[in-house]
Amino acid sequence: QVQLVESGGGVVQPGRSLRLSCVASGFTLSSYEMHWVRQAPGKGLEWVAIISYDGSNGKYADAVRGRFTISRDNSKNTLYLQMNSLRGEDTAVYYCARDLGYEGLDQWGQGTLVTVSS
Amino acid sequence: DIQLTQSPSFLSASVGDRVTITCRASQGISSDLAWYQQKPGKAPKLLIFGASTLQSGVPSRFSGSGSGTEFTLTISSLQPEDFATYYCQQVNTYPMTFGPGTKVDIK
Repeated sequence: QVQLVESGGGVVQPGRSLRLSCVASGFTLSSYEMHWVRQAPGKGLEWVAIISYDGSNGKYADAVRGRFTISRDNSKNTLYLQMNSLRGEDTAVYYCARDLGYEGLDQWGQGTLVTVSS
Repeated sequence: DIQLTQSPSFLSASVGDRVTITCRASQGISSDLAWYQQKPGKAPKLLIFGASTLQSGVPSRFSGSGSGTEFTLTISSLQPEDFATYYCQQVNTYPMTFGPGTKVDIK
């Protein structure tokens, strides 16, 4: 069945970097654009980034543009989020999600928690 | 950016109640709206897309309506498993945005 599994979260100091991964199974990753969405503790959902099918284009939320980079390796069925210059406000559960265009995000991973703290 | 507001932010209801949640967009988004359900500690689940189309496998007690700037999610007869937080999301324009959520709790 379709599955998305995130990994790479943890505790990191402000200003440091972290790379999240999302492994897809049960479908052909290259057929879908993919997103990262985050949720700070006790807060709502916040869209982070989207990447095109082949990885050639990405769009970002203002809050992360210039610090985060979304990428993918379709041969490894894996989506990535490189997070640099991390701040306390980046503390959140990060979800990867599959895009259906105007039909929303139909598959989500279980999330990985990133905590930015000294 | 397109802002989404939801009302109410919190709703207390009983099993069997009819529940309606409203989502308003700061500018017209046609029917490019999705609704999600999220339970504590779990990922969001897509319920409705295109403002009114039920995602496969979602019970028919859920329905959505609206276009332009005003949308509603209705649960016709609330079931115990429906107690959760509900979010709307606009997929019309980047950046994608979500509403702040409506928590549906047990009365």
